[in-house]
Amino acid sequence: GENVEQHPSTLSVQEGDSAVIKCTYSDSASNYFPWYKQELGKRPQLIIDIRSNVGEKKDQRIAVTLNKTAKHFSLHITETQPEDSAVYFCAPGKAAGNKLTFGGGTRVLVKP
Amino acid sequence: NAGVMQNPRHLVRRRGQEARLRCSPMKGHSHVYWYRQLPEEGLKFMVYLQKENIIDESGMPKERFSAEFPKEGPSILRIQQVVRGDSAAYFCASSPDLQNREQYFGPGTRLTVT
Repeated sequence: GENVEQHPSTLSVQEGDSAVIKCTYSDSASNYFPWYKQELGKRPQLIIDIRSNVGEKKDQRIAVTLNKTAKHFSLHITETQPEDSAVYFCAPGKAAGNKLTFGGGTRVLVKP
Repeated sequence: NAGVMQNPRHLVRRRGQEARLRCSPMKGHSHVYWYRQLPEEGLKFMVYLQKENIIDESGMPKERFSAEFPKEGPSILRIQQVVRGDSAAYFCASSPDLQNREQYFGPGTRLTVT
């Protein structure tokens, strides 16, 4: 099955700095690459996703980059704010089946 | 447009009892997924259903766990003879179709087995 790893497991940044989280996966058939944000006690929320036919996607302060050859994709958050503090999960999946395999999560703390 | 709904939000069961978790997908969504999350861990896929069909149950334990998504009504995840290790947050997600693929999560049911 799919093996998914996220690095780092915790990330502490100063408000206004950038944060980068990397996700590596093993299944070359994966072609859907979402990132979810989960605040304490809340549901995971989809914040950005990318398909395998593009290398980068940006939405305001958030971007995702994909390197399908190397089987990794990354989440970039610029100009971090305290409300960005949460746990972030990558969850690659295939076209068929839609089963998502979640990484172990990255706890991001943005210090004011 | 209501989001994915789950009930109950919190459920306490004694060891050996049955737990029933309900999930109503977003309007227009015909695909439902169940995931389990242990404290401080990521979500683990359990089962994927469409109306009246189980598509993929590769993540669901073979014993005591079952899931259904009837033609009418919510999807149900049933855990029989619960044990302490079943204590977790159970999230369901729904998506409209395979082409779209985005999954939107409900608020979860936190099951505590005493």
